[in-house]
This record gives sequence, C-alpha cells and structure tokens, in this order.
Amino acid sequence: SQKIEQNSEALNIQEGKTATLTCNYTNYSPAYLQWYRQDPGRGPVFLLLIRENEKEKRKERLKVTFDTTLKQSLFHVTASQPADSATYLCALDVLDSNYQLIWGAGTKLIIKP
Amino acid sequence: EAQVTQNPRYLITVTGKKLTVTCSQNMNHEYMSWYRQDPGLGLRQIYYSMNVEVTDKGDVPEGYKVSRKEKRNFPLILESPSPNQTSLYFCASSPRGRGGGYTFGSGTRLTVV
Repeated sequence: SQKIEQNSEALNIQEGKTATLTCNYTNYSPAYLQWYRQDPGRGPVFLLLIRENEKEKRKERLKVTFDTTLKQSLFHVTASQPADSATYLCALDVLDSNYQLIWGAGTKLIIKP
Repeated sequence: EAQVTQNPRYLITVTGKKLTVTCSQNMNHEYMSWYRQDPGLGLRQIYYSMNVEVTDKGDVPEGYKVSRKEKRNFPLILESPSPNQTSLYFCASSPRGRGGGYTFGSGTRLTVV
C-alpha cells in the first residue's frame, strides 16, 4: 500500500545540537515535498518546499534533503533552540493525486535546555 | 497581513444541529481545502476547491458539505453533526494547489455531544 512515514516517537535533542527528522515514503513519485511546523492546537506553518530534482534546500537554520532513490527526505535543524520544539510534518505533492497533499503523521521534536 | 481566518475557534454542539464553520483568505489564492486532524491519524482532507464553483471530495467527505461562491470564502457545513465528527478542523489555502506551501487557519475545535 502507499504510505508516508515519520517517526512516531518524540525526538529529544540537547540545545545547540542538530536535530534530524526523517520522512520515508513508498510507491509514490512526488513532484514536491514540503515540511511544516505545528504547535499544539495550532495550524501547521509552511517551512520549506523541495522539488524532486533538487537534492538540498536551506532556510536559515533549516536544511532539507530529498533522495528520490531512497524515497526519503531528511529535515535538519542546526544549532537547535528550545523554541524549535514542535511537531514537524512532511507532505508529498504527487502529480496523480488530484491536487491533494499526502501527509505524514508528524514527529514531535523536543529541544532540552 | 496575509492570513486564513476561521471561525469559530471553539464550538460545542448537539447531535443533528446543523452548523457552519467559516473560512476566509485574503491572498487571492485559487486553491482552498478543509482538513480534520485526529490524534494518531494526522491530517485528512475533507474537501478541496480549485477555484470558484469548483469543488471536489478529499479522503473523508462523508457528512460534510462545502461551497465556493466567492474566491475568498470556503465554508464547511455539517448538515447533521454526529459525535464521530468531533475533531480539530483546519482550513488551508495556496496559490494554485501545487508547487507552493499552504497557509493554514488557526483551527476550529468542534465537539459534538
């Protein structure tokens, strides 16, 4: 079956370290992959979009990689801060999906001071 | 400020009493969408709209209706709410539905008793 997976367990990282979150998918050929941040009870906030022909994208302390051979995206938060604590969602934009994003369930990131 | 505005933020209602959750965006986006989010299930799309008078079902459309009479507004209607529609609802918009990030509203927490 087609699915998109993110680590369901919370990721605990010490402040100042790099946090790395994974997004794995099967049986899709995504045109784009997006990452969002979501705080409890709030709407997701768009962070980064990477195209299928791009290997890496950066925005300030955030870096996203996209490996269509491995069917995996990695989301890195460098020099992490407690304010980076949130749930991070990945979403696939698949060409045959009738303009629907396919969402992962998210990984909770906890940055400890 | 560019935003998606949802109302109400919280709503408690009784089974069978029709309700409408409003959604409005001020970015002239063509694409709008409704999601529900339940613990452990992630974001699930209810309906989406590619433009005025163009709507289509998402993954979980049963029990919901939508309309898109104006570009900026995309209300979600529950004709006869049931307890299994208790959830956190989000409206989102994007310029074209593909290749760009989504802007989400702050959410509506609906409880049906």
